[in-house]
Amino acid sequence: GQQLNQSPQSMFIQEGEDVSMNCTSSSIFNTWLWYKQDPGEGPVLLIALYKAGELTSNGRLTAQFGITRKDSFLNISASIPSDVGIYFCAGQLRGSQGNLIFGKGTKLSVKP
Amino acid sequence: NAGVTQTPKFRVLKTGQSMTLLCAQDMNHEYMYWYRQDPGMGLRLIHYSVGEGTTAKGEVPDGYNVSRLKKQNFLLGLESAAPSQTSVYFCASSYDFGNTIYFGEGSWLTVV
Repeated sequence: GQQLNQSPQSMFIQEGEDVSMNCTSSSIFNTWLWYKQDPGEGPVLLIALYKAGELTSNGRLTAQFGITRKDSFLNISASIPSDVGIYFCAGQLRGSQGNLIFGKGTKLSVKP
Repeated sequence: NAGVTQTPKFRVLKTGQSMTLLCAQDMNHEYMYWYRQDPGMGLRLIHYSVGEGTTAKGEVPDGYNVSRLKKQNFLLGLESAAPSQTSVYFCASSYDFGNTIYFGEGSWLTVV
């Protein structure tokens, strides 16, 4: 099946540092979504992107839909302890009326 | 705002037992999904539904059955549980394919 390559798999950073993670694919996507999952909870939507080149912010979070439509990144600025969790990208393939494909997640740890 | 609710939250089954996971959404969404989440595997789609009375197979459908008798409910059944079905199960719903999907809080299932 189609795959999204999400990297890095995990990050361990100091509070206050900026964070960057990305998802790439060899296929073209119509939609990119970024979710965060806290321990013991379901994923919660952070940012949704629907157009190539789109750059969207949500507080300290910024995500972009790559121009090639094959990638997306998520940046977190000035990280805080509550940013800890697993971040997932998800996308819908171009030309597909099908479901979202999920990356395997980036586990973020923040040291106070 | 209940969103997506799923029950039970935790369950331990013996191999060969059957059970049903219940999912309800109050957002009038047409599309509903069942995912399983395993360490290192991300979220994998089991079955989904594009509307009342319809169901379709996802990426990992074997060993599971689903029903969508009412628009707001999507049931996931395990007829004969196996240890390989030990996982965290998430129900989700969306207005449309490729659109933002909203997750429930998860159901932790252990098969011994």
